Amino acid sequence: LAKTTQPISMDSYEGQEVNITCSHNNIATNDYITWYQQFPSQGPRFIIQGYKTKVTNEVASLFIPADRKSSTLSLPRVSLSDTAVYYCLVGDRVNNDMRFGAGTRLTVKP
Amino acid sequence: ETGVTQSPTHLIKTRGQQVTLRCSSQSGHNTVSWYQQALGQGPQFIFQYYREEENGRGNFPPRFSGLQFPNYSSELNVNALELDDSALYLCASSLARNTGELFFGEGSRLTVL
Repeated sequence: LAKTTQPISMDSYEGQEVNITCSHNNIATNDYITWYQQFPSQGPRFIIQGYKTKVTNEVASLFIPADRKSSTLSLPRVSLSDTAVYYCLVGDRVNNDMRFGAGTRLTVKP
Repeated sequence: ETGVTQSPTHLIKTRGQQVTLRCSSQSGHNTVSWYQQALGQGPQFIFQYYREEENGRGNFPPRFSGLQFPNYSSELNVNALELDDSALYLCASSLARNTGELFFGEGSRLTVL
């Protein structure tokens, strides 16, 4: 299963766009990419999922280049409530294994 | 609210004891996955159950076992507890077994003394 690498932490200010990039160099052909958000003492919450190119939903966009060796989660106009840990995952369809990395701790400041 | 409920929310055990954690999946979901999250770390995949059978397993020893029932609820059993088993145990349900969209419960916080 592909290992993921993300920045340990990031700081931003309210109203800014935040981009968090994840590296997954050994991603397999059928693997998918998923991002989760987690607040303290809560379970992770699904944000977005993609396989290639760009995916957008009501809360975020996910950019995946053609080689799929990385992906970027884009959060438009963050607010204080977006302060959380963000996890990039690569999912193995064959073994039904989805592994979380260490995550990126995003702090949004006023 | 994800519709996934876990019990108990907190519990304390001593080394060598056994523990059972329970999870009720969201209505219509036939797949349940269990994760262990140590303090300050990301969740680690334990195993997944699909239609009452184990359908994938992470790097955990056999003393971590599970069950899924006909109503798709699930149990996680841990035998011979060790101090390092202290963690938040998360259950997640999903519509299918090979999807990345998981719906997590709030977890069961286990402390082993």
